[in-house]
Amino acid sequence: GAGVSQSPRYKVTKRGQDVALRCDPISGHVSLYWYRQALGQGPEFLTYFNYEAQQDKSGLPNDRFSAERPEGSISTLTIQRTEQRDSAMYRCASRGVGAQTQYFGPGTRLLVL
Amino acid sequence: QQQVKQSPQSLIVQKGGIPIINCAYENTAFDYFPWYQQFPGKGPALLIAIRPDVSEKKEGRFTISFNKSAKQFSLHIMDSQPGDSATYFCAASGRTHARFGAGTRLTVKP
Repeated sequence: GAGVSQSPRYKVTKRGQDVALRCDPISGHVSLYWYRQALGQGPEFLTYFNYEAQQDKSGLPNDRFSAERPEGSISTLTIQRTEQRDSAMYRCASRGVGAQTQYFGPGTRLLVL
Repeated sequence: QQQVKQSPQSLIVQKGGIPIINCAYENTAFDYFPWYQQFPGKGPALLIAIRPDVSEKKEGRFTISFNKSAKQFSLHIMDSQPGDSATYFCAASGRTHARFGAGTRLTVKP
C-alpha cells in the first residue's frame, strides 16, 4: 500500500521526559531499520529488526534508547529521560523479503528543550 | 560510527557538467552499495545501487563506478540539470545494518 509512515511528525518535549516514536512500515516488509539524522548529516544507524526479532542494536547510543516490534509490523522507538542532545530527525526504513532497497519514512523531528 | 567516508561535502557545477561524488568504506562484509538522493524536507530516496561483483552500473544519467580492491565507489551524474540539486548520500549495507556517508550537497547552476 502506501509508503512508510511515521508519527508524530514533530515532537517537542522537555528534558527528562520519555518519548515514543512510531513507525508503520510498508505492508509486507519484514525488515525495519531505525536511523537518526542530524541536520546536514547522513542517517546514523540505530537498530534493525527482522520480523519481530531485533537482530542488531549496535547503533543505539545508550540504554535510554530502546525499540520494539512485537508483532513484526509497527515499531516503536522509545527514548527515556530525554536530553537536549537527543534532538534530531528520527527516520525509519523498511525493506521487503529478498530485496536490498530500503524505503524511508518522512521522519519524526524531535526537539528536546 | 562512521564507516563510510564521503567527499566532497559540497559541489557546485554548471548545467551540463558531470559532478562526481566519492565514497570509501572499511567493512568488507558490506555487500550492497546504494546512493540516495534527498531533497529538503524529504526522506532519502534510492537513486541507484550496485553490488560488489560489478564494477560499473548505469541507469539513465547516473553511473556508479565500484572498485572492490580499493573499497571505493563513486557516483557520476551525466548532463547534470538544476533539478539534480539535492544532497546525495552513499551507503554500504550488510545483512543487518547500513552505514551512510555524511552527504554531498550538490548545486547545479542554470
